[in-house]
Formats: sequence, C-alpha cells, structure tokens
Amino acid sequence: DIQLTQSPSFLSASVGDRVTITCRASQGISSYLAWYQQKPGKAPKLLIYAASTLQSGVPSRFSGSGSGTEFTLTISSLQPEDFATYYCQQLNSYPPWTFGQGTKVEIK
Amino acid sequence: QVQLQESGPGLVKPSQTLSLTCTVSGGSISSGSYYWSWIRQPAGKGLEWIGRIYTSGSTNYNPSLKSRVTISVDTSKNQFSLKLSSVTAADTAVYYCAREIVGASPGCRAFDIWGQGTMVTVSS
Repeated sequence: DIQLTQSPSFLSASVGDRVTITCRASQGISSYLAWYQQKPGKAPKLLIYAASTLQSGVPSRFSGSGSGTEFTLTISSLQPEDFATYYCQQLNSYPPWTFGQGTKVEIK
Repeated sequence: QVQLQESGPGLVKPSQTLSLTCTVSGGSISSGSYYWSWIRQPAGKGLEWIGRIYTSGSTNYNPSLKSRVTISVDTSKNQFSLKLSSVTAADTAVYYCAREIVGASPGCRAFDIWGQGTMVTVSS
C-alpha cells in the first residue's frame, strides 16, 4: 500500500493566517492526489484534485501543488469556516486508495 | 444535482453481516465514467477506503478487508450495496458511500460526491 503522511497532524492558527499542510507519499503517485475538508459530524468535501485543480465552488484561497511524492495544501487567508480537519488521498495505485491521517486546523 | 444516501441497520451483532445500501438520486448510476465507493471512519479516526464498483459490476476491494467484503450494484434501483461479513467491534464506524470521478486528464480522479454517512455499531 502507498502510505501518505501529513504534517503537521495538528495546527493552531488565527483568522487571516496563511496555512500550509504537507502530504508525503511513500512512493511516487504522479499528480493523483486529492484534498478534502471535513467538519465534525459531516462527510468530507472535495477541495482539490489532480494535486492542483480547484473543485468547482471551492474558494480561491485554497490551492494545491506538488507531484511525485510531496504535495501541499495552502489556505492563503484562513477564514472562520475553514477550521476543520483536512485529508489528502492518493488515487494512483490501487488497491487500495489511501488517505493521510488528517490535519486538524484549530483556532489559536 | 446528484445526491447519495446511505441506509441500513445502525446496530449489528458480532459475527453477523453488515449490510448497507447507497441510493443515488438526481442522476443515473449508469451514466458517465464513475466508480461508486464505500469508505468508513471509526469515531475520532481517519478514513479507510473499503472498495468500489463500476456499473458493469467490476469491483476492487481493499486487501485488508477483501475476504469479508462484497459490493454489488442494482442499476434498476439506482443503488449500490455493501456487505461486510463476520463483523467485530473493530468494524464500528461511520460508513460513507461516494462517487469517484475518472477524468481523461492525468491525475483526474477524486471522490466528488459523498453521502452524509451512517453510523454502524457492532455490539451484542
């Protein structure tokens, strides 16, 4: 299985901060990486696919980059509604599709 | 727009079979280049992909669960289903169904639509 390691696992930030989350894959996955946002009690929501393509309807303050084994999700100016847990997912090599362990973004 | 809704028992006894159905509304399960997946999430933990099905009936399963999992599709009802046999307390989780998009461009795969999730507890 391809392992995805997110860092940090926990992040405390203030409204307006620039936030970056990293996802590292145990082997190359080209650009087959997606990012999701999950709020408590809710299903994950797709933010970015193909490493850097913004899903329709997602605010432009979210951006993704990377290829191969290292990827980043950046929130350019953190908003109150962005406090959530973020997951990366690889869809290059199956079975299985795998997810990172998650990064929880909390209010400082 | 397309919506997914999970349904099934919220409580299953140990050693029995967990059965869930995902109903697709707002579009045909057979249209487009989509796979249909099941994912689960134990309380306070991360996401685990269980498996997927294409409308042709072709399936792929997580090797860690493969011996216990069956995913099937009923295109006439616009539904797909999950069966997980010989359950234990470790199978207690929120179970989600989701649509996987498959695009022509490199990297163009993701789960773009999710159901709201259904909690399943394994307990006697």
